[in-house]
Amino acid sequence: AQSVTQLGSHVSVSEGALVLLRCNYSSSVPPYLFWYVQYPNQGLQLLLKYTSAATLVKGINGFEAEFKKSETSFHLTKPSAHMSDAAEYFCAASGGTYKYIFGTGTRLKVLA
Amino acid sequence: GAGVSQSPRYKVAKRGQDVALRCDPISGHVSLFWYQQALGQGPEFLTYFQNEAQLDKSGLPSDRFFAERPEGSVSTLKIQRTQQEDSAVYLCASSLVGPDTVGTQYFGPGTRLLVL
Repeated sequence: AQSVTQLGSHVSVSEGALVLLRCNYSSSVPPYLFWYVQYPNQGLQLLLKYTSAATLVKGINGFEAEFKKSETSFHLTKPSAHMSDAAEYFCAASGGTYKYIFGTGTRLKVLA
Repeated sequence: GAGVSQSPRYKVAKRGQDVALRCDPISGHVSLFWYQQALGQGPEFLTYFQNEAQLDKSGLPSDRFFAERPEGSVSTLKIQRTQQEDSAVYLCASSLVGPDTVGTQYFGPGTRLLVL
């Protein structure tokens, strides 16, 4: 069965600092992986997705993620945090069909 | 074009009441999903429609939960005899592709249900 683990339910970074949000997956088949962002009282917005093409995936708002099969990881990074990045971030995985499995989320706080 | 819309955005119900939550997917999207998001948790899958056919309802927590999409467009999630544990945000998502392809899911803003 698939599962998605996000390490750290809360992450704080200073404005301008590196953002690193961790996601590990377990899957018996090559996964498709996604990062979504959720701002308060809004739905989920897709940041980026991995679909077995390039292992380094670039998304919107300067975010990127790298698929590392050996580590079963798909961590999200951004070189320089902005105040507007404060939100909740969800990693999700699919085993090749319609069903997504979501992690429990990481709330990112950006300090001025 | 317009994204996924949901109504109402907020719903307060007394325990035991029935509620109906509406989802308008992106026009032309084949697939429609309902998720339940409890406070501090990630979305959890409830049910999946391909057009008007409900292909997967494995995530519905009890027989009090019922979903339909009669014309393959708008969907309604109904919860009968609401309980306090039903309090959550209910998210709807739609996707252009069918069940055998991993498509991007586009989410609506959700309906926040509070059962008193």
